[in-house]
Amino acid sequence: AQSVTQPDIHITVSEGASLELRCNYSYGATPYLFWYVQSPGQGLQLLLKYFSGDTLVQGIKGFEAEFKRSQSSFNLRKPSVHWSDAAEYFCAVAHTGNQFYFGTGTSLTVIP
Amino acid sequence: DGGITQSPKYLFRKEGQNVTLSCEQNLNHDAMYWYRQDPGQGLRLIYYSQIVNDFQKGDIAEGYSVSREKKESFPLTVTSAQKNPTAFYLCASSIPGTGSPYGYTFGSGTRLTVV
Repeated sequence: AQSVTQPDIHITVSEGASLELRCNYSYGATPYLFWYVQSPGQGLQLLLKYFSGDTLVQGIKGFEAEFKRSQSSFNLRKPSVHWSDAAEYFCAVAHTGNQFYFGTGTSLTVIP
Repeated sequence: DGGITQSPKYLFRKEGQNVTLSCEQNLNHDAMYWYRQDPGQGLRLIYYSQIVNDFQKGDIAEGYSVSREKKESFPLTVTSAQKNPTAFYLCASSIPGTGSPYGYTFGSGTRLTVV
């Protein structure tokens, strides 16, 4: 069965600092990989996705993620965090014909 | 603009009462989903439907029911059998279906509170 692990429940960073949110998955084949962001009381917005090709993918709002097959990871990064990036971030995996599996989320706090 | 509309945004339910959450999409997506979100537990799948007039139970279907009479609509009823319904409910849709490489599009959610 597929599973997704986001080991960090909560992360605090200073505005302007770099950010990396971790995501690990377990699945036999290369899955489709996604990062979503959720602001309080809102739905989830797709930040970026990977399904083949270049392992470094660019998303919206200046985010990027790198797929590392050897580590079964798909970590989300941003070089310089803005206060508006404070939100909950979810990693998700899927494969054709299978469900989406979401991680439990990482809550990001940005301090001035 | 295409999207998913969930209504109402806030809903209050009395003990023993059934309530229905609305989800409408104009994206022409075949598949639709209902998730429940509780703090610290991520998203849990309640029901999903890949085509009209067909739906499948997810991981936590007990106490919930759905219908899919139209492609655009996938209402969720929270029945009195659901003992702890207070949560944030999210509706989503996708093409072509589960495991879509295009990801899911989400509505803005309905917060249900038992009073």
